[in-house]
Amino acid sequence: DGGITQSPKYLFRKEGQNVTLSCEQNLNHDAMYWYRQDPGQGLRLIYYSQIVNDFQKGDIAEGYSVSREKKESFPLTVTSAQKNPTAFYLCASSSLLAGEETQYFGPGTRLLVL
Amino acid sequence: DAKTTQPPSMDCAEGRAANLPCNHSTISGNEYVYWYRQIHSQGPQYIIHGLKNNETNEMASLIITEDRKSSTLILPHATLRDTAVYYCIVRGLNAGNNRKLIWGLGTSLAVNP
Repeated sequence: DGGITQSPKYLFRKEGQNVTLSCEQNLNHDAMYWYRQDPGQGLRLIYYSQIVNDFQKGDIAEGYSVSREKKESFPLTVTSAQKNPTAFYLCASSSLLAGEETQYFGPGTRLLVL
Repeated sequence: DAKTTQPPSMDCAEGRAANLPCNHSTISGNEYVYWYRQIHSQGPQYIIHGLKNNETNEMASLIITEDRKSSTLILPHATLRDTAVYYCIVRGLNAGNNRKLIWGLGTSLAVNP
């Protein structure tokens, strides 16, 4: 099956703890994205990457970090500096070919702070 | 990137067509209109997109006005499984790094039996 997988589905974090959310895609897409969604709100962009070993900050990057060591993988770390991490996190990927740049989303990870 | 305006909620009877409007009066010539939907606690699902011509696929039809300032997503025969939040997004394809999608609050569509 082609698609985007995110794990885990639910994640609990203690105060002061870093946690890493996984995102993998087998669509051979060059670009990958991380979004955050709060209840009743639209998605906001955290980070995105268009090529291996390169990534750009989105609108709300503070308190988050990412890496892109492989084309298929774009993990997101929520650090202790993120003061309000409870949210639904969504990963997406897209081609960068003209006319084929639609973003496709994974099922999401819900992060809860204990 | 242009902003969009959508009604916060709509109702539709099962089996009838659902027509979801979107206003994007500040859209520029190279910006596409994208539609996604999100069923509760799931990732957004791509539906359709268009530039200026009307588009149709197996899920829906997209009607874009001639001046491109508004569009309508049509679900021809709505089912209970179409109950979701529908997002209309305007997105440019300019050269450079800005390929982000700007998400509003969408329209919460309730399909009733």
